Amino acid sequence: EPEVTQTPSHQVTQMGQEVILRCVPISNHLYFYWYRQILGQKVEFLVSFYNNEISEKSEIFDDQFSVERPDGSNFTLKIRSTKLEDSAMYFCASSGGDKETQYFGPGTRLLVL
Amino acid sequence: AQKVTQAQTEISVVEKEDVTLDCVYETRDTTYYLFWYKQPPSGELVFLIRRNSFDEQNEISGRYSWNFQKSTSSFNFTITASQVVDSAVYFCALSEADTGGFKTIFGAGTRLFVKA
Repeated sequence: EPEVTQTPSHQVTQMGQEVILRCVPISNHLYFYWYRQILGQKVEFLVSFYNNEISEKSEIFDDQFSVERPDGSNFTLKIRSTKLEDSAMYFCASSGGDKETQYFGPGTRLLVL
Repeated sequence: AQKVTQAQTEISVVEKEDVTLDCVYETRDTTYYLFWYKQPPSGELVFLIRRNSFDEQNEISGRYSWNFQKSTSSFNFTITASQVVDSAVYFCALSEADTGGFKTIFGAGTRLFVKA
């Protein structure tokens, strides 16, 4: 069964460093998303992406964040200068023709020291 | 504005008991979608069900059943004859059709402990 994959599964970085989180959505999907979950809290929407542009973003998704689909398969989230409060699990999701249902990847656990 | 409320923070049951997880939502849209996701201790989010706002028919899938009531803006989830493997955090979520990006808003989650 096709699934969303994410790399790395865990990443530790120093405050101020740039990180890139990678996702490979389900191959025929057209809508892509990033969410984050701070430990013990709820899942929060960051951004949605369709047709090579951002279709919606939350107030969390400030200028430190960017997304890109550099090729036909990858979807990346970049955090330019990480802060301690960026420590969280980051989930990528994708949806297809049935765009209302989003399928989530296993997440990348980011720890900023 | 969208909002999803899961008033139960934690529920603890003994195996084989039935348990109902509550979810209340707020939306101004007439077309919207409701979801339940399971997050086991390993951390991934597992899609369980989607319900469209125009379809109030309740659904049963094995030991799982869902009760959607527009009149009370609720979408409750019942596990019958719970098992230890059901122990997880369960999230109710809402997506509005008018939002082109189809962002999904999650509730705070209900942590379910099923004891043997």
